[in-house]
Amino acid sequence: DTGVSQNPRHKITKRGQNVTFRCDPISEHNRLYWYRQTLGQGPEFLTYFQNEAQLEKSRLLSDRFSAERPKGSFSTLEIQRTEQGDSAMYLCASSPRSSVWTDTQYFGPGTRLTVL
Amino acid sequence: AQSVSQHNHHVILSEAASLELGCNYSYGGTVNLFWYVQYPGQHLQLLLKYFSGDPLVKGIKGFEAEFIKSKFSFNLRKPSVQWSDTAEYFCAVNARGTGTASKLTFGTGTRLQVTL
Repeated sequence: DTGVSQNPRHKITKRGQNVTFRCDPISEHNRLYWYRQTLGQGPEFLTYFQNEAQLEKSRLLSDRFSAERPKGSFSTLEIQRTEQGDSAMYLCASSPRSSVWTDTQYFGPGTRLTVL
Repeated sequence: AQSVSQHNHHVILSEAASLELGCNYSYGGTVNLFWYVQYPGQHLQLLLKYFSGDPLVKGIKGFEAEFIKSKFSFNLRKPSVQWSDTAEYFCAVNARGTGTASKLTFGTGTRLQVTL
């Protein structure tokens, strides 16, 4: 399978702990996105990378959240001092080299985070 | 900022019935429009997309959508649904010319249940 992969698929943690998620995009896709989806809602944009550069961050991304894409391939999303409100599905998407105006994003299976 | 409304939250249809799911967006400029589907236990998959040209777009599995610019709408249709179409359907939009990110703004989704 050459789609977007995410690990872990599920994470249960206690409030106050740090967690890190990984996303491996489709090979040669240079754009990578993180979204968050809570129950009954559609995905909400968190942040975006073009190659290794983080070009945009949503206001949803508080100081406790940090994302990296050090070599322009896989990306990590870290949440520090987790809170119960962080419980959600965290989705990663990637898109190929193309005009940004005709960008098509392909989603991974997501990481479901539960904060106790 | 753009927003997306999906007015039908839960739709129940019998097999072979026709389907139309509503999607309206708010944004004054040029947009790209998408429908994604999430089958039970699976990740988001692209059904169809509109960038420009013919406003009637055909996607996978017999789905189509029509972009009506004057109504800010992009409704999804299928003439005859199958039990396997049971899924959650998300309409999404990104706004051209708003910077480097082509982040998607999603609606809240419509859960389609097809009965035998």
